[in-house]
Amino acid sequence: DAGVTQSPTHLIKTRGQHVTLRCSPISGHKSVSWYQQVLGQGPQFIFQYYEKEERGRGNFPDRFSARQFPNYSSELNVNALLLGDSALYLCASSPAEGYDNSPLHFGNGTRLTVT
Amino acid sequence: AQSVSQHNHHVILSEAASLELGCNYSYGGTVNLFWYVQYPGQHLQLLLKYFSGDPLVKGIKGFEAEFIKSKFSFNLRKPSVQWSDTAEYFCAVKPGGYNKLIFGAGTRLAVHP
Repeated sequence: DAGVTQSPTHLIKTRGQHVTLRCSPISGHKSVSWYQQVLGQGPQFIFQYYEKEERGRGNFPDRFSARQFPNYSSELNVNALLLGDSALYLCASSPAEGYDNSPLHFGNGTRLTVT
Repeated sequence: AQSVSQHNHHVILSEAASLELGCNYSYGGTVNLFWYVQYPGQHLQLLLKYFSGDPLVKGIKGFEAEFIKSKFSFNLRKPSVQWSDTAEYFCAVKPGGYNKLIFGAGTRLAVHP
C-alpha cells in the first residue's frame, strides 16, 4: 500500500507570493491533517479535515487555508507568504475523524523556503 | 495551555548504551500518548502508543515507554541502542476530546559505533 504522498517535495517562493501544497492520504483514510514543522521544533497543528469538512484549526492566521476533495486528497494554501512561513509542511492521514485512538500516518513533507 | 516538553534536545551515545528520553506534558485530563521517530530522510513513523491499561508499553525495534500519570510523564527507553537508532524522536500527546497531536520539540539521538 502506498503511504501518504505529498507534492512537491521542495518549493522556493518569494515573500508575498501564494503557495499550494498537495496531499494524498493512504487509501481508505478519510481524515487529513496538516502540520507545520519549523527547524528545531516539533510539528504544530494547522488543520484537520474529515469527509471534506474542517474539523479542527490550529493557531495560524487566515492566510492559511485548506480543503479536502471528494477523493479525500487535500490542499493547503498559504497566501501572502512571509519569511517565517519557511518550514517543512507535513500531511498526515488516519482512517477516522481523529477523536479515537488511531495514530496518524505522516508523509515525507514539503520543504517550503520563502526568500 | 497544553504543551509537551522533551528535556534532552541532543543525545550522543555509544552502541550498546542504554537510552532514556524524557517527555512531560501539561494536561489534566485523559490523554493518548505517542512516540514518533524520524530517521534521516524519512517520514515520521510511529514507535509506540499508549491509550489505556498497562502503563508500560512496548513498541517496535525494542523500544518501550512508561506512562506515569502522577508525573505527567511518558519516557522512552531502550536497553541497548544500535547505530541504526540514530534519528530524531518526538513525543506527542492527544488530549481527550481533541483531534490533534501536540508535539514536543524533539530529541536528536546520535549513536556512535
